[in-house]
Amino acid sequence: DVKVTQSSRYLVKRTGEKVFLECVQDMDHENMFWYRQDPGLGLRLIYFSYDVKMKEKGDIPEGYSVSREKKERFSLILESASTNQTSMYLCASSPQENYGYTFGSGTRLTVV
Amino acid sequence: DQQVKQNSPSLSVQEGRISILNCDYTNSMFDYFLWYKKYPAEGPTFLISISSIKDKNEDGRFTVFLNKSAKHLSLHIVPSQPGDSAVYFCAAYGTSYGKLTFGQGTILTVHP
Repeated sequence: DVKVTQSSRYLVKRTGEKVFLECVQDMDHENMFWYRQDPGLGLRLIYFSYDVKMKEKGDIPEGYSVSREKKERFSLILESASTNQTSMYLCASSPQENYGYTFGSGTRLTVV
Repeated sequence: DQQVKQNSPSLSVQEGRISILNCDYTNSMFDYFLWYKKYPAEGPTFLISISSIKDKNEDGRFTVFLNKSAKHLSLHIVPSQPGDSAVYFCAAYGTSYGKLTFGQGTILTVHP
C-alpha cells in the first residue's frame, strides 16, 4: 500500500521556535507538495518540488522554507513560528506531470 | 485571487437523497478537474476526476458534470449515505502549471 507519511500528527510549539515538519513518500514520486488547510480558505499551496534539491514557491510561502535532499523526503521549515501559522499541514506527492496526488494524514500544528 | 471557488461552505442532506456540490473556476487553461473527500484528522483522498474535453464522468454513486462555457462543475452523490459526511474539495489541474489548485471546501452532512 503506497504511502505518504508525516512524522507527527499533533505538534505544539512556542512562538519564535524553529519548527520542522517531515514528510516521506515510498512511491518514488518526483513531485512533492506542502499545503496548509484552514477553515473557509481550503488548501493553500506553500511550497512544492519537482526534483531533488529543487523547490518552487507556492501561493503562501512567507514565513516558510523547504528542503529536499532526497527524493523521498520533503521537509517544511517554519523559521520562527508565529500564532498565525497554527493550522493543519498536509504533504502530498505525485508522479511527474500527473494530477494524481497522494496525501499524508496531516500534522495539526498549534503555535502558542 | 481565488481561481477555484466553492461558494457553499456547508450542505445538509437526508440519507437516500441526492447531494449536489458545486464549484466554479476562472482559468480556462485548466485541463483536469477533481474532487477530493476529507475526513477529520485524515488527509484528502481522491474521489473522481474529469478531463476538460468531457462533460460527464460517472463512478458508482458519484457523477461529476463539467460545463466549460459556464466554468462550472458539480458533484452529484446518489443516493447519499451517512458515511459520505465529510469535507469535499474541488480541485483543478493545469498541465502547464503542474500543480493542483483547490477550492475552499464544502462540509457535507448526511442525516440518517
